[in-house]
Amino acid sequence: DSGVTQTPKHLITATGQRVTLRCSPRSGDLSVYWYQQSLDQGLQFLIQYYNGEERAKGNILERFSAQQFPDLHSELNLSSLELGDSALYFCASSSDRAGGYTFGSGTRLTVV
Amino acid sequence: AQSVSQHNHHVILSEAASLELGCNYSYGGTVNLFWYVQYPGQHLQLLLKYFSGDPLVKGIKGFEAEFIKSKFSFNLRKPSVQWSDTAEYFCAVNALVANNLFFGTGTRLTVIP
Repeated sequence: DSGVTQTPKHLITATGQRVTLRCSPRSGDLSVYWYQQSLDQGLQFLIQYYNGEERAKGNILERFSAQQFPDLHSELNLSSLELGDSALYFCASSSDRAGGYTFGSGTRLTVV
Repeated sequence: AQSVSQHNHHVILSEAASLELGCNYSYGGTVNLFWYVQYPGQHLQLLLKYFSGDPLVKGIKGFEAEFIKSKFSFNLRKPSVQWSDTAEYFCAVNALVANNLFFGTGTRLTVIP
């Protein structure tokens, strides 16, 4: 157990639907990062939040959004899902750059 | 912009063979460097990291990596691999002015018993 909790572990949904992925960071970590891992594109950075505020944005589609709540957990919302959105979505947390990132076990999303 | 290149996509070795996985990055400024490992079906775990000081960094499970600034490289090494090292290995770079890690595409290592 890395200390970063992601739910659900698996999600199967139909095209056009909307899903929410949840991440609880390691205790004391203020930063949360979302990554998408797919076979063809590798590990892609989506977005970062620090203490409730968006800090950095990567290759995140407009159909996707995220937020970090006062208790520091974060949610990644994926809407108008397409087959190509099927991937592993990882959340990571850190207290600062020096410690590196701690990753959660990921949510495997399958869009059918 | 930062980028990370891992030239070996799939490496197959026999047990006890020596391992070296290449990692090159493109960024002219100061960087922090990491190697992560992802065992089948599991999340990414930190193997080792470099921030400053001795360019030869020792990590967990007998892995080490050497930072060569002039070559923009941070290659991962292990003198003798085991079957349990079968996994995917990711090199990552964090520029001090950026707020996220850039990952390479990963190298899949298969160790044959």
